[in-house]
Amino acid sequence: QSLLTQPPSASGAPGQRVTISCSGSSPNVGSNYVSWYQQLPGAAPKLVIYRNNQRPSGVPDRFSGSKSGTSASLDIIGLRSEDEADYYCAAWHDSLPSFVLFGGGTKLTVL
Amino acid sequence: QITLKESGPTLVTPTQTLTLTCTVSGFSLTPAGMAVAWIRQPPGKALEWLALVYWDDDKRYSPSLKNRLTITRDTSRNQVVLTMTNMDPVDTGTYYCVRSERGTSGWAFDYWGQGSLVTVSS
Repeated sequence: QSLLTQPPSASGAPGQRVTISCSGSSPNVGSNYVSWYQQLPGAAPKLVIYRNNQRPSGVPDRFSGSKSGTSASLDIIGLRSEDEADYYCAAWHDSLPSFVLFGGGTKLTVL
Repeated sequence: QITLKESGPTLVTPTQTLTLTCTVSGFSLTPAGMAVAWIRQPPGKALEWLALVYWDDDKRYSPSLKNRLTITRDTSRNQVVLTMTNMDPVDTGTYYCVRSERGTSGWAFDYWGQGSLVTVSS
């Protein structure tokens, strides 16, 4: 059972905005960077947001991330059909020893 | 060009030990702030982080699987090896080798291998 909670599904029409949430707790999201991954059907995941709100080179600026307290969000504006994918958040969990947590994933459907 | 490539068996019998090898290129395992991790994904299910080895050979494991996992590295061969004991059909899935780096990405997983599908069945 994941300790990072994501909605199982999200959807939006082309051109619209969608927000995917990731809820954690103080030792993980509340204390560490959150990263987000996009997994297209049949492909390996791809990093789309790191350090809460930074985009790797090549990721469109339609993707943005934010974090407040123990929750994080991935925003996608100007939805396109190619954005249809599974999205996962991840964060380190502070403990002795530390480990990494992933969210349960959100399937984004572009209507 | 940074690449990671997983290799190992595609079929494992229940109770056997799985050994997967990740061969990396385009970066070194030894600079401070570098790490390689293993992440798996059962068919149709979510990603699950398994283990990680740092540049200084420090290691981290998933609490739920730590008794079954061992991660090692061979810097001379640019390889990271994951062993998982007592395999069960629920361990069936795609196993990814992934790079993690502190300086730029803040320990995000910035490069992924293509994945290795492992089926556990008798």
